[in-house]
Amino acid sequence: GAVVSQHPSWVICKSGTSVKIECRSLDFQATTMFWYRQFPKQSLMLMATSNEGSKATYEQGVEKDKFLINHASLTLSTLTVTSAHPEDSSFYICSARDLGWGDGYTFGSGTRLTVV
Amino acid sequence: GQQLNQSPQSMFIQEGEDVSMNCTSSSIFNTWLWYKQEPGEGPVLLIALYKAGELTSNGRLTAQFGITRKDSFLNISASIPSDVGIYFCAGQESYVGSQGNLIFGKGTKLSVKP
Repeated sequence: GAVVSQHPSWVICKSGTSVKIECRSLDFQATTMFWYRQFPKQSLMLMATSNEGSKATYEQGVEKDKFLINHASLTLSTLTVTSAHPEDSSFYICSARDLGWGDGYTFGSGTRLTVV
Repeated sequence: GQQLNQSPQSMFIQEGEDVSMNCTSSSIFNTWLWYKQEPGEGPVLLIALYKAGELTSNGRLTAQFGITRKDSFLNISASIPSDVGIYFCAGQESYVGSQGNLIFGKGTKLSVKP
């Protein structure tokens, strides 16, 4: 089955620094990847849709200059949280669409970001 | 935008009991998905439904895509302790211009007492 690897699984950073999260599709090519944010005991909220070779599409209320998305290849999308603040602390999850697997969506294992 | 109502929010059951949860939508979805999420992990796909009226099983799990395309349910039979987790329904956006984004329900937290 399709596998999506997300790295790191957790990270602690200081306020004002930037953090990069990687999402890789290991055994398939993903022209579209999605980035979600999940607060404790809440559902997943879509932040942006990442398209290979073009600009990401951000959901309303998500600052594109703060959450930089790069989808430079068919197997890698990155999310960079710039100038992180404590309120950015959350669980970030990526997913990728494998059109060759019944159009299934496979999720990464998530990244726990803590900004101190 | 499209919204999903998932119920119940939480369930606390005895091992061996059957479980049922459902999702309803204010608008039509062409694809319904059910995921399970365990603490600190990403969601894992349980069942995918692509046709109205479709009934699909995966082991002890059974899910149905409602005829109106506005609802879906998930049943778990003979629950076991490892069924513990949060179950999410998700509908795939399908309007013209969408990128196939998933809209998630708020989740059903399942606790199973041995």
